[in-house]
Amino acid sequence: QVRLQESGPGLVKPSQTLSLTCTVSGGSISRGGYYWNWIRQRPGKGLEWIGYISHSGNTFYNPSLRSRVTISIGTSDNQFSLNVTSVTAADTAVYYCSRAIGSSPPRYWGQGTLVTVSS
Amino acid sequence: EVVLTQSPATLSVSPGDRATLSCRASQSVNFNLAWYQQKPGQAPRLLIDGASDRATGIPARFSGSGSETDFTLTINSLQSEDFAVYFCQQYHIWPWTFGQGTKVDNK
Repeated sequence: QVRLQESGPGLVKPSQTLSLTCTVSGGSISRGGYYWNWIRQRPGKGLEWIGYISHSGNTFYNPSLRSRVTISIGTSDNQFSLNVTSVTAADTAVYYCSRAIGSSPPRYWGQGTLVTVSS
Repeated sequence: EVVLTQSPATLSVSPGDRATLSCRASQSVNFNLAWYQQKPGQAPRLLIDGASDRATGIPARFSGSGSETDFTLTINSLQSEDFAVYFCQQYHIWPWTFGQGTKVDNK
């Protein structure tokens, strides 16, 4: 059974960088055919796809966030990461990581982690 | 980007009823549409992909239909555990986008 778990600071100051890690268990992140996604849900708003990375490191970013977002395969085993620079209150959200087979909808999701941007 | 408009925003139904949820796309997404269920404090759960294919383990009372720009999620004989928010999501044109959700609550 594949499991994903987000981790990182729950509070980030405005203008700083939000950094989250997703740890995957029950399946290798280096196995081909999977896309590893970051999706967020802002309070009172809908879901927003941030971007995804393939096992080989190819990335696709939402154009609305592309200038501030980096998704990378982690240096530790079976992890991938999200960095969002120059955050504002509008980046306050529950952040989810997930796994999809290619571009199909992800079946496996982490439980989500709330990140609040506030001074 | 593709805008998905869900209706109604809230649907009040009783257990045993049929619930019909709509999702309309601003441009054709072919059959590349999924439906998710989300309960408070939980991640979305994939119900349907390919517009009509139930995901593994999803009960047969959930069914999806439609293509191009108009899609429907039907929940037959609604159970108490089905009260939740339902989102549609397209994966035809990047960036993938979600609808704003339909809340199914107890009448």
